[in-house]
Amino acid sequence: DAGVTQSPTHLIKTRGQQVTLRCSPKSGHDTVSWYQQALGQGPQFIFQYYEEEERQRGNFPDRFSGHQFPNYSSELNVNALLLGDSALYLCASSRGQGGGTFFGQGTRLTVV
Amino acid sequence: QQQVKQSPQSLIVQKGGISIINCAYENTAFDYFPWYQQFPGKGPALLIAIRPDVSEKKEGRFTISFNKSAKQFSLHIMDSQPGDSATYFCAASMNYGGATNKLIFGTGTLLAVQP
Repeated sequence: DAGVTQSPTHLIKTRGQQVTLRCSPKSGHDTVSWYQQALGQGPQFIFQYYEEEERQRGNFPDRFSGHQFPNYSSELNVNALLLGDSALYLCASSRGQGGGTFFGQGTRLTVV
Repeated sequence: QQQVKQSPQSLIVQKGGISIINCAYENTAFDYFPWYQQFPGKGPALLIAIRPDVSEKKEGRFTISFNKSAKQFSLHIMDSQPGDSATYFCAASMNYGGATNKLIFGTGTLLAVQP
């Protein structure tokens, strides 16, 4: 049973560019959430997708957007990259309330 | 009110000892409290979770103790091993119409188990 998978694992982008990160949820999961984890800090919630719609959103600017596909996979897009966007981006999947939230290995984004 | 406060920031324990990490919250609407283990360069891995209707939950060497009146919960790692050396995060979430809600994370505790 494959867990949550993310691609790519590492990425280097230049300030001002745009980036797309991808995620496939754990088998049987229908809800995908994205988190940003800065070095030495806990993950911060960006947004959550369910039934191809954004259901919840954290305190992140509109430069951060996402999408969920019919097969439940998801993308995170960040436009106009800033140096401060450098972080580990984590995808998490879940189903319902009682089954727990499971994280992928993350995508390390470095903005130079 | 949305914060989860975690302590200590770092912890050194001898092999075979007990590691204890504490968390506190303010929002009484929180009703789900998981703990995650994260190794360098990896994503957080779900260790154990508890809901407020029980005061303790044990899975192997890991135990969560929950004090609803004090709004505190803690992770106990019994017989700590060098392989337990990692960063541990507590988290909390609240009911969202029966669906999975966002997790609010603590600041993390870096645990080092010395051989």
